[in-house]
Amino acid sequence: AQSVTQPDIHITVSEGASLELRCNYSYGATPYLFWYVQSPGQGLQLLLKYFSGDTLVQGIKGFEAEFKRSQSSFNLRKPSVHWSDAAEYFCAVVFIYLSNDYKLSFGAGTTVTVRA
Amino acid sequence: DSGVTQTPKHLITATGQRVTLRCSPRSGDLSVYWYQQSLDQGLQFLIQYYNGEERAKGNILERFSAQQFPDLHSELNLSSLELGDSALYFCASSVNPNTGETQYFGPGTRLLVL
Repeated sequence: AQSVTQPDIHITVSEGASLELRCNYSYGATPYLFWYVQSPGQGLQLLLKYFSGDTLVQGIKGFEAEFKRSQSSFNLRKPSVHWSDAAEYFCAVVFIYLSNDYKLSFGAGTTVTVRA
Repeated sequence: DSGVTQTPKHLITATGQRVTLRCSPRSGDLSVYWYQQSLDQGLQFLIQYYNGEERAKGNILERFSAQQFPDLHSELNLSSLELGDSALYFCASSVNPNTGETQYFGPGTRLLVL
């Protein structure tokens, strides 16, 4: 069955350190891939997306993600985190060809804590 | 600000009651999606509308229903509420649902059922 997995429930990182959040999917084709961020009490904001083409995608707020077909992964990275990056991050996938509704299937989310 | 608005922001009600959540999509977006975020189920797709017509259904209970009006705003109706319906309900919109266009999310409505 199709699925999205974020293996890390919670990550703590020091301000200024690098951050990598993992996302894996299970699907027979390449899906559409997204990363969203949810700050406390806020809605979901799109950080970046991948449909096709260059496998390294640049997003907002200094984030980037790399699609690796061989690993069925779409990991999110930031070279130097800021205290304002503390939030919950969701990997989301559209399993195209499965249906025509293009609904987002979300991972369980990774909570990022930034320590001073 | 995504351009998607949702009202109310917070809603507290009792079991057995009925509530209506409202969503206004971004200007020009024809498709509206509803999602539920709860602690035990995470973010789950409920239902999608496109230009007034129901397009797809996800894990939506029979007690829940939705519609999209001619002005493209959408309402999610939750009835016979149970404690387990307490959650954050998001609306998202996109221009064209046929291409996997980015969905833009509203701030959500937090529902508490007591």
